[in-house]
Amino acid sequence: DTGVSQDPRHKITKRGQNVTFRCDPISEHNRLYWYRQTLGQGPEFLTYFQNEAQLEKSRLLSDRFSAERPKGSFSTLEIQRTEQGDSAMYLCASSFEGTGAYEQYFGPGTRLTVT
Amino acid sequence: AQSVSQHNHHVILSEAASLELGCNYSYGGTVNLFWYVQYPGQHLQLLLKYFSGDPLVKGIKGFEAEFIKSKFSFNLRKPSVQWSDTAEYFCAVNARGNNNDMRFGAGTRLTVKP
Repeated sequence: DTGVSQDPRHKITKRGQNVTFRCDPISEHNRLYWYRQTLGQGPEFLTYFQNEAQLEKSRLLSDRFSAERPKGSFSTLEIQRTEQGDSAMYLCASSFEGTGAYEQYFGPGTRLTVT
Repeated sequence: AQSVSQHNHHVILSEAASLELGCNYSYGGTVNLFWYVQYPGQHLQLLLKYFSGDPLVKGIKGFEAEFIKSKFSFNLRKPSVQWSDTAEYFCAVNARGNNNDMRFGAGTRLTVKP
């Protein structure tokens, strides 16, 4: 396994268009997270899944954002009617839930530019 | 909810200098603490972590961090930096038992001059 992968790595779109990003976690990991990172800031939590269930959403995740993890494996993050303020790096991470604490493993991110 | 403060936005050092990056968190309960590093053009990688036990934890590439509970701090140290340590460093915290809600600091950019 080569780690968490994300596709595409870069996306340029015009305001108002819809975009969809994909994340493939580490295969044995049952938790998957989405973060957004803007310039000069650390990642900000958006949402996470345990298997196929979306268990928490940040208030940063407006109604234009939707995430799915239909079979408990890969996940998609869709942004509808993109706005310039959506321009950011979207990061995916995965972890394995077990006893105690566990770290999250991050993918390379998808950089979104909304023009 | 917890929050994380990293005191230094940009640190510039010469090779062989010692490094200490500050991290303070705000949370009343038990926490797990992490330092992540992001090298230029690469993704976030875990540098080290603290869950429990010895408050002095050692990570990869000669880095270490000390958890001081009374100060709510988890500072990152390295006795002698190398040019290859040039990267952005992020401190992160999550609450024990609520591992999904990871909060990151704003990051510290380290530039090491050869």
